[in-house]
Amino acid sequence: SQTIHQWPATLVQPVGSPLSLECTVEGTSNPNLYWYRQAAGRGLQLLFYSVGIGQISSEVPQNLSASRPQDRQFILSSKKLLLSDSGFYLCAWRHGPNTEAFFGQGTRLTVV
Amino acid sequence: DQQVKQNSPSLSVQEGRISILNCDYTNSMFDYFLWYKKYPAEGPTFLISISSIKDKNEDGRFTVFLNKSAKHLSLHIVPSQPGDSAVYFCAAKGYGGATNKLIFGTGTLLAVQP
Repeated sequence: SQTIHQWPATLVQPVGSPLSLECTVEGTSNPNLYWYRQAAGRGLQLLFYSVGIGQISSEVPQNLSASRPQDRQFILSSKKLLLSDSGFYLCAWRHGPNTEAFFGQGTRLTVV
Repeated sequence: DQQVKQNSPSLSVQEGRISILNCDYTNSMFDYFLWYKKYPAEGPTFLISISSIKDKNEDGRFTVFLNKSAKHLSLHIVPSQPGDSAVYFCAAKGYGGATNKLIFGTGTLLAVQP
């Protein structure tokens, strides 16, 4: 069966510090991978998605970047965090367009 | 530009009654829709989906209805249970060159009262 791992679960970082969140998927190959953010009181905002190694689509201009160095690994990064980067970050995968997405447990990021 | 909208931020229902969650979308090119349930500090879990070639899909207590002409879908939960209390998100698959996108609404907080 397929599983998705996302870590860390919580993170408190100072403004201006770097960020690296990692997501890995097991039990499948060539998944579509996604990073979403849920800000307080808001919906799920799509940040990045990837259909293959090295292929990243960016949805929202921001202080973040994403990379996919391996088929089942998706990384969300920032060189310098802003207060507005605080939120609940979710990684997800799915097989293709007409299938459901499966989410990780999320990372609560607080920038102080 | 919010392409998928859930205009009710919250809904309160008595246990055993029907819960109806609504979702509107702006783009008639969307052809696949999903509903998710989310508890605090957890990732969303998939509930049910529907393709635009159908107007209804049922899975146990959950039924999704799609009205393409109105660009509206709804999720019915019957009977509602206290464990159904959560935030519910609808989502739509992108179209054209963006079929791999999955666009979510803003969510509706459902509270089922015992």
